Amino acid sequence: NAGVMQNPRHLVRRRGQEARLRCSPMKGHSHVYWYRQLPEEGLKFMVYLQKENIIDESGMPKERFSAEFPKEGPSILRIQQVVRGDSAAYFCASSQMRDTNYGYTFGSGTRLTVV
Amino acid sequence: AQTVTQSQPEMSVQEAETVTLSCTYDTSESDYYLFWYKQPPSRQMILVIRQEAYKQQNATENRFSVNFQKAAKSFSLKISDSQLGDAAMYFCAYRISTSGTYKYIFGTGTRLKVLA
Repeated sequence: NAGVMQNPRHLVRRRGQEARLRCSPMKGHSHVYWYRQLPEEGLKFMVYLQKENIIDESGMPKERFSAEFPKEGPSILRIQQVVRGDSAAYFCASSQMRDTNYGYTFGSGTRLTVV
Repeated sequence: AQTVTQSQPEMSVQEAETVTLSCTYDTSESDYYLFWYKQPPSRQMILVIRQEAYKQQNATENRFSVNFQKAAKSFSLKISDSQLGDAAMYFCAYRISTSGTYKYIFGTGTRLKVLA
């Protein structure tokens, strides 16, 4: 089992460009979560998705950010018109069930740098 | 609102010695879960240990154990016989449920250095 796969590992974008971050959950996992880690901070919840559905996007900025988890393929976190403040590490986690007491399985994150 | 506080930005420990990382949290719930995650330079978030609040017994995983003080809302991590590979950022996390979504509140982390 390959674990949660995120790519790219590093992404550099100029201000105003779009960033697309991909997350392939563990095999058999249909629940995906995105977290953001700003420098010197802990991870903060962004969005929770199941296949083809956004369940909770309460942590997503209201503008420029969107997420999807299609029936086929990876989950995508899209950031339009990036700004310097979007520079962070973005983590994806997955679980087999909605209610897991055993902790998520996290990916290794994508570090986004906006120049 | 639930919060998680890690008051030690950085700690150092001599190899083979024991170190304790502090974590306090705030909640009005009576049943919940607490976790410690390790983040090495590779950035991978690795689950170290978990504690169920309704269990009196402190969780233990090999060299890692917790001191869970529910009344004090304290959840410290003890690492025994520290090894060089233990050097990492350590995050305390509290699992909350809001509107059917289970999500984590993380502390700001403690950077652990292990000295040879």
